[in-house]
Amino acid sequence: ILNVEQSPQSLHVQEGDSTNFTCSFPSSNFYALHWYRWETAKSPEALFVMTLNGDEKKKGRISATLNTKEGYSYLYIKGSQPEDSATYLCAFFMDTGRRALTFGSGTRLQVQP
Amino acid sequence: EPEVTQTPSHQVTQMGQEVILRCVPISNHLYFYWYRQILGQKVEFLVSFYNNEISEKSEIFDDQFSVERPDGSNFTLKIRSTKLEDSAMYFCASSGQGAGSGANVLTFGAGSRLTVL
Repeated sequence: ILNVEQSPQSLHVQEGDSTNFTCSFPSSNFYALHWYRWETAKSPEALFVMTLNGDEKKKGRISATLNTKEGYSYLYIKGSQPEDSATYLCAFFMDTGRRALTFGSGTRLQVQP
Repeated sequence: EPEVTQTPSHQVTQMGQEVILRCVPISNHLYFYWYRQILGQKVEFLVSFYNNEISEKSEIFDDQFSVERPDGSNFTLKIRSTKLEDSAMYFCASSGQGAGSGANVLTFGAGSRLTVL
């Protein structure tokens, strides 16, 4: 059974704070790591797909890094805004076996104005 | 921006009843998926579908579940005889290329919440 873990489970920050959270995944048979942003009552929205060890991706104030050798990815949000409030999901894709994403349980971020 | 649409947004049904959840994927996408999230648990893979057949399914996707693409635009998930434990949010997703490559993002719908009483 694949284990994809995210921490923390939830996070409350003040507007303007920078924050980061972690996704850990099996380091063997790695193929890709996805990050999705999921606002309540909306569709999960793709942020990044990362495939190479050492990858860094950036989208506005949000960035992510990838370490496939040790099996973790960090998602960073710089200068959090209330509209960043959402659940951030990571999902792992392995290069053998099941050809489907395995999701973590998500980090729920609440940004207070 | 193209989107995946799902209906109904919420369905309440009695245990043992059949339920059909509908999805309209993005029109030029070829790969379709159903995932679900039971309240408080992780998003779980159910099934993937390509070229009018199931390409992969999970242990959850037993004989009570079926999928169909009846008319070239809709993609449906049928649960034949619902159980209490089928209560969950069901998400449809599509991608332009196979998740077999792993690097292609999925575009998700907003979900259909199923409540089985």
